[in-house]
Amino acid sequence: QKEVEQDPGPLSVPEGAIVSLNCTYSNSAFQYFMWYRQYSRKGPELLMYTYSSGNKEDGRFTAQVDKSSKYISLFIRDSQPSDSATYLCAMSGWTGGTSYGKLTFGQGTILTVHP
Amino acid sequence: DGGITQSPKYLFRKEGQNVTLSCEQNLNHDAMYWYRQDPGQGLRLIYYSQIVNDFQKGDIAEGYSVSREKKESFPLTVTSAQKNPTAFYLCASSADRAYNEQFFGPGTRLTVL
Repeated sequence: QKEVEQDPGPLSVPEGAIVSLNCTYSNSAFQYFMWYRQYSRKGPELLMYTYSSGNKEDGRFTAQVDKSSKYISLFIRDSQPSDSATYLCAMSGWTGGTSYGKLTFGQGTILTVHP
Repeated sequence: DGGITQSPKYLFRKEGQNVTLSCEQNLNHDAMYWYRQDPGQGLRLIYYSQIVNDFQKGDIAEGYSVSREKKESFPLTVTSAQKNPTAFYLCASSADRAYNEQFFGPGTRLTVL
């Protein structure tokens, strides 16, 4: 079983829809949670960064962390064609030894928003 | 402009050759990382460096080597020992040594002919 599981999709929605992207994880040491957006053939871009449980909002994006369920989500409101990309969840925490809280990524979800 | 640059954007290698991928950052970040991205597998950590003249193996270091002689630079060499080197390679950096908020370069696509 992978430490971080993310539904690869693909996910296709109409413009204006609310999109929900999700990741589950198994390592209870994870405390820092990130969402990256990656356009085709480009490097990932950091979208959201949260620490521990709770919600964080930035414009049309809301990141949600539920540590008790080991579940994180990214919501995109009023989705636009420019949101079409691969979305990667990532997380880290003190996992002991020499790992020193390295970043563990999900497989990525491919999202297409069509006009 | 502050950021991370990687070169070249595309690289072709014949089997048996070593190639070096460049990564430079002007963000004054201490930590730098190399990842490999394959379709459907997310990002996998190859090597990371928390400080100049120090680096550690990641999850898939076999067939790769790195150096960290300067804070700004973290080149990755893909050696002939890497059995399946065709992939998209991403360099990242972070301000602190706790692996949080990593910022990525544009990537290098390596193809073995």
